[in-house]
Amino acid sequence: VQLVESGGGLVQPGGSLRLSCAASGFTFSSHWMSWVRQAPGKGLVWVANIKQDGSQKYYVDSVKGRFSISRDNAKNSLYLEMTSLRAEDTAVYFCAREERGSDFFDSWGQGVMVTVSS
Amino acid sequence: QVVLTQSPSTSASLGASVKLTCTLSSGHSSYGIAWLQQQPEKGPRYLMKVNSDGSHSKGDGIPDRFSGSSSGAERYLTISSLQSEDEADYYCQTFKVFGGGTKLTVL
Repeated sequence: VQLVESGGGLVQPGGSLRLSCAASGFTFSSHWMSWVRQAPGKGLVWVANIKQDGSQKYYVDSVKGRFSISRDNAKNSLYLEMTSLRAEDTAVYFCAREERGSDFFDSWGQGVMVTVSS
Repeated sequence: QVVLTQSPSTSASLGASVKLTCTLSSGHSSYGIAWLQQQPEKGPRYLMKVNSDGSHSKGDGIPDRFSGSSSGAERYLTISSLQSEDEADYYCQTFKVFGGGTKLTVL
């Protein structure tokens, strides 16, 4: 199982960024997938998740209306579109696989850094 | 919403054993949890899930030195024969909620 995030970087407040996660080594279309973030020196916070077929999506309150999660099962890829970015969105963003039949995160990527600063 | 409480830090000597605790908030003592290990500058690694009856199921490749158990609302991760690479942050997780993490220092 491998999850590889990309697309991070430095962006100004109010800007946008799109993160990608390339999945391999498992049947991507069989799993719920999540994004989890970690602000510098802080703990883990779940951000959003998406059902296997993309029909259900959920978000933490702090990003509702600003972030959008999506997936492309044909490309084994997960995405996070982030708009209206704020300084408090600065964090390492991890792609995580949810174990089938439970809500535990059983595989993680190495993370990608997003810095929101002027 | 469930809250998971962990001690911020602990330390133990090389070769010794350590037991980390994750406490489920009131009304949620029947929940299972997952334990994650995060070494410095790395993504988290799934160690195991621990059920309310103390049974646990480890992730692929997790050494036998790692084990899980339960008592009431508490879920435990025990690491025996501590090695230097066990120095890391350990998080518990359930229902999209994470504990604050315990930083383990190996002396």
